[in-house]
Amino acid sequence: QVQLQESGPGLVKPSQTLSLTCTVSGGSINSGGYYWSWIRQHPGKGLEWIGYIYYYGSTYYNPSLKSLVTISLDTSANQFSLRLNSVTAADTAVYYCARFVMATNSFDFWGQGSLVTVSS
Amino acid sequence: DIQMTQSPSSLSASVGDRVTITCQASQDITTYLNWYQQKPGKAPKVLIYGASSLETGVPPRFSGSGSGTDFTFTISSLQPEDIATYYCQQYDNLPLTFGGGTKVEIK
Repeated sequence: QVQLQESGPGLVKPSQTLSLTCTVSGGSINSGGYYWSWIRQHPGKGLEWIGYIYYYGSTYYNPSLKSLVTISLDTSANQFSLRLNSVTAADTAVYYCARFVMATNSFDFWGQGSLVTVSS
Repeated sequence: DIQMTQSPSSLSASVGDRVTITCQASQDITTYLNWYQQKPGKAPKVLIYGASSLETGVPPRFSGSGSGTDFTFTISSLQPEDIATYYCQQYDNLPLTFGGGTKVEIK
């Protein structure tokens, strides 16, 4: 059974960089058929896709965040990461990592979510 | 971006009732639509993919239909454990986008 687990600071100051890591267990991120994804949910709101990365490094980002976001892979650690630059209070959200499976084009496994608050 | 509009935003129904949620896309997405269930404090869980295919292990009281721009999600007999917020999500075009959610409560 694949499991994903987010980790990273729960508090980030405005204008700084938000960094989260997702550790994948029960499967390798270095295999085809999946996109490794980040999704966020503002408090009490809906879901926003941030972007995803394929195992050989191709990345796809939401244009609303594209200039500020970087998603990267660390295949040796079976992890992938999110960096969001120049954060503001509007970036306060629960951040989920998730696996997007190409066979069904759906997010089939998710992390439990990591609340990140942007505040001085 | 493709806008996904769900309705209603919330509903209250009795145990055993048939519950229907609709999702409208701002352009034709054929059947490139998924439905997710999110319980409070938890991550979403996929229930339906490809508009009408039931994810493995999901009870058959959940179903989906539709194509083009109009989609329907149905719970044939509402159970107490179905209390959650339900989201549609399109994958026809990037960026992937979700509907605003429908909160289902027990009357």
